[in-house]
Amino acid sequence: SQQGEEDPQALSIQEGENATMNCSYKTSINNLQWYRQNSGRGLVHLILIRSNEREKHSGRLRVTLDTSKKSSSLLITASRAADTASYFCATELSGNTGKLIFGQGTTLQVKP
Amino acid sequence: SQTIHQWPATLVQPVGSPLSLECTVEGTSNPNLYWYRQAAGRGLQLLFYSVGIGQISSEVPQNLSASRPQDRQFILSSKKLLLSDSGFYLCAFRDPGVSIQYFGAGTRLSVL
Repeated sequence: SQQGEEDPQALSIQEGENATMNCSYKTSINNLQWYRQNSGRGLVHLILIRSNEREKHSGRLRVTLDTSKKSSSLLITASRAADTASYFCATELSGNTGKLIFGQGTTLQVKP
Repeated sequence: SQTIHQWPATLVQPVGSPLSLECTVEGTSNPNLYWYRQAAGRGLQLLFYSVGIGQISSEVPQNLSASRPQDRQFILSSKKLLLSDSGFYLCAFRDPGVSIQYFGAGTRLSVL
């Protein structure tokens, strides 16, 4: 089964609202990353949070990590139509494999 | 700067035909290289990864193979395509010791 499970699967909001996406995982991790994918394109890295960190910010992005609950959330504040995309969490498992396990993704639609 | 090139962007192939998808990376040495497949509306499934020339690890049994003939070249192949090989194929790399992966633009493969 997938290491990362995300919810919701789809999210539709109005421009200016905040969007929150959640990710759960099952095993020990080195870090958790969030990626964005525009339709039919490759993935772009957004933010990385290490297992010993609890919160991280980058511009309008805020990521939290709760290792006791094995969960993370991505908050996009003051959303814009250009934020419309699919968002994936990815966990790098403990050890030094460099392999990422991706969740199924959340499809975000921001209506102008 | 580091760049990753993946081609072709789209490919339509008949069942039973061979496949060769190529990925090249510039601006880095000895990268870790990855091939993923993404089914429609789903997350990424890791197919192969490589930590060096000629070193290939397969994550799932399948009709595909991978090769790394040069340090910054990663090739995904099949001798005879199946209908189930259709999907969106993504190549990615990371610098050793760095967790973030960088993705190519992807190849949309349709097997008919």
